Amino acid sequence: GNSVTQMEGPVTLSEEAFLTINCTYTATGYPSLFWYVQYPGEGLQLLLKATKADDKGSNKGFEATYRKETTSFHLEKGSVQVSDSAVYFCALRNGGQNFVFGPGTRLSVLP
Amino acid sequence: EPEVTQTPSHQVTQMGQEVILRCVPISNHLYFYWYRQILGQKVEFLVSFYNNEISEKSEIFDDQFSVERPDGSNFTLKIRSTKLEDSAMYFCASSERGRGQNTQYFGPGTRLTVL
Repeated sequence: GNSVTQMEGPVTLSEEAFLTINCTYTATGYPSLFWYVQYPGEGLQLLLKATKADDKGSNKGFEATYRKETTSFHLEKGSVQVSDSAVYFCALRNGGQNFVFGPGTRLSVLP
Repeated sequence: EPEVTQTPSHQVTQMGQEVILRCVPISNHLYFYWYRQILGQKVEFLVSFYNNEISEKSEIFDDQFSVERPDGSNFTLKIRSTKLEDSAMYFCASSERGRGQNTQYFGPGTRLTVL
């Protein structure tokens, strides 16, 4: 079946630090991969996505590259801000309509 | 930018009571979804809905749950007899198309607390 694994949090960083949140997936075929972000008290927002191998999704300084050989879609940002504090969810969609989400990784950025 | 809206933002109910969670999807979208997130846990798919029918559902979506599109704008999730373990954040989502690469847009969620 389809599944998504993320690094356990919480992740605590100082402002301007480099961020990596690891995500790996298990799926048959060629899923589309997504990162969603959930800010405190809010719903899920699409952060970025990639639909085929070697695609790079990017938004708001965040990037993730679809690596089929390692079944990974790690999220990176070169310099985090306090406003990036949120829970980040890696997700896949594999031909069907619904998403399969990872457990989420809480990021706290300290000033 | 169009948004998915949900009401109420927070619902408190007694165990055994029926609740209806409401969603207004983006107006030109045809596919609708419900997800839930138990506090501190991952987001789980419940059900997808298209053309006035359930198109896919998870094992969580048992006979206590039902969905409906009562008019041209609302999409509802009903829980017939709530249990303590139904306490969660419920997210509605909609998309313009179904399969493939189409993005699902999520509402802000309704927090359901069952006492």
